[in-house]
Amino acid sequence: NAGVTQTPKFRVLKTGQSMTLLCAQDMNHEYMYWYRQDPGMGLRLIHYSVGEGTTAKGEVPDGYNVSRLKKQNFLLGLESAAPSQTSVYFCASSTSYGYTFGSGTRLTVV
Amino acid sequence: DQQVKQNSPSLSVQEGRISILNCDYTNSMFDYFLWYKKYPAEGPTFLISISSIKDKNEDGRFTVFLNKSAKHLSLHIVPSQPGDSAVYFCAALDAGKSTFGDGTTLTVKP
Repeated sequence: NAGVTQTPKFRVLKTGQSMTLLCAQDMNHEYMYWYRQDPGMGLRLIHYSVGEGTTAKGEVPDGYNVSRLKKQNFLLGLESAAPSQTSVYFCASSTSYGYTFGSGTRLTVV
Repeated sequence: DQQVKQNSPSLSVQEGRISILNCDYTNSMFDYFLWYKKYPAEGPTFLISISSIKDKNEDGRFTVFLNKSAKHLSLHIVPSQPGDSAVYFCAALDAGKSTFGDGTTLTVKP
């Protein structure tokens, strides 16, 4: 089915470890986003991309890096994980008037 | 300053009754509004949208109302069903960039 695919779905990291979350979309959307969602809070934008080779900071970018080497992929990296980065991460892609979300990655940093 | 607010974190209604979810915004540049529904352990899914040039949009049991002068958006679900129990996010777009509310948890009791 067409849509947004996130891998992995779950991950437990130790403080200081690094990891990369992968997001892939097959809808040829230009825009892609990484959000985090914490209990009682809405979706907060970490980084986004308006096209292949571009990235920009969102609302809460600190501690994260991203890359958009191919139009269909948007990678979110944590260089040195911290407990404050325990969250559910959602990737999305969009046209101008609607978003399609992935099913999320639940990350726990211990 | 939170530009999109959902002031009710939770709402409980009886099956068959109307559910009304509210959303307020402050940015008059928002030109498109969307509602998303989110079940636990899943990504948000698009529900219904409305352009700023309209004041009502209907899709089956779901109707979104926009009051631009009051900067207020509402989602009506009639009749409510237990399967509608989820977290509902409103989102507002300004030149394609979205801002999400914190969400309202709807519980529909059988």
